Amino acid sequence: GESVGLHLPTLSVQEGDNSIINCAYSNSASDYFIWYKQESGKGPQFIIDIRSNMDKRQGQRVTVLLNKTVKHLSLQIAATQPGDSAVYFCAESRGQNFVFGPGTRLSVLP
Amino acid sequence: DSGVTQTPKHLITATGQRVTLRCSPRSGDLSVYWYQQSLDQGLQFLIQYYNGEERAKGNILERFSAQQFPDLHSELNLSSLELGDSALYFCASSPTGQGFKETQYFGPGTRLLVL
Repeated sequence: GESVGLHLPTLSVQEGDNSIINCAYSNSASDYFIWYKQESGKGPQFIIDIRSNMDKRQGQRVTVLLNKTVKHLSLQIAATQPGDSAVYFCAESRGQNFVFGPGTRLSVLP
Repeated sequence: DSGVTQTPKHLITATGQRVTLRCSPRSGDLSVYWYQQSLDQGLQFLIQYYNGEERAKGNILERFSAQQFPDLHSELNLSSLELGDSALYFCASSPTGQGFKETQYFGPGTRLLVL
């Protein structure tokens, strides 16, 4: 069936480098996407969202890119810091439901 | 801190038992959502309530039920518990009933262990 997924289950980056976390979705009717960050022992925390009428949205140190042609979503984190270490989930709004991807663990190396 | 509170933080119980999880949404939020997070299924949406009424249903088992009270807090009731129900249960809230088109704010979760 259709699903939201991630290309890389784990990602290790050096502190100070940029991180890119990818997400593929298969439902072309999805019109709203969110990235969440989940630290160990905590609930998912909103990072940034984007609607399907946009292809790029920037926040503080984060940028989300949406490519509807290939159904691809990415989260870019600039100057990655140790506090960025967490699991990152993309979520796709599909009707009356959020479908979450399996998550990517980001590990920041000193 | 998201402003969403959940109790209890941890819960250990036996198979066949019934438990109730409680959630208080952010001040002013009218919608409450329940999610289950397990190792094999990931994060899954269970059910949404908006201003006391059920608004949307996801992958919620018949053994599970929820309600939202006039003060907008919500409870998730899990009955006839099975080992496979062991998971983290999250509550989230959002300002309106358009929860799948707006940001949802998650609580810290309740970790349920069924022995």
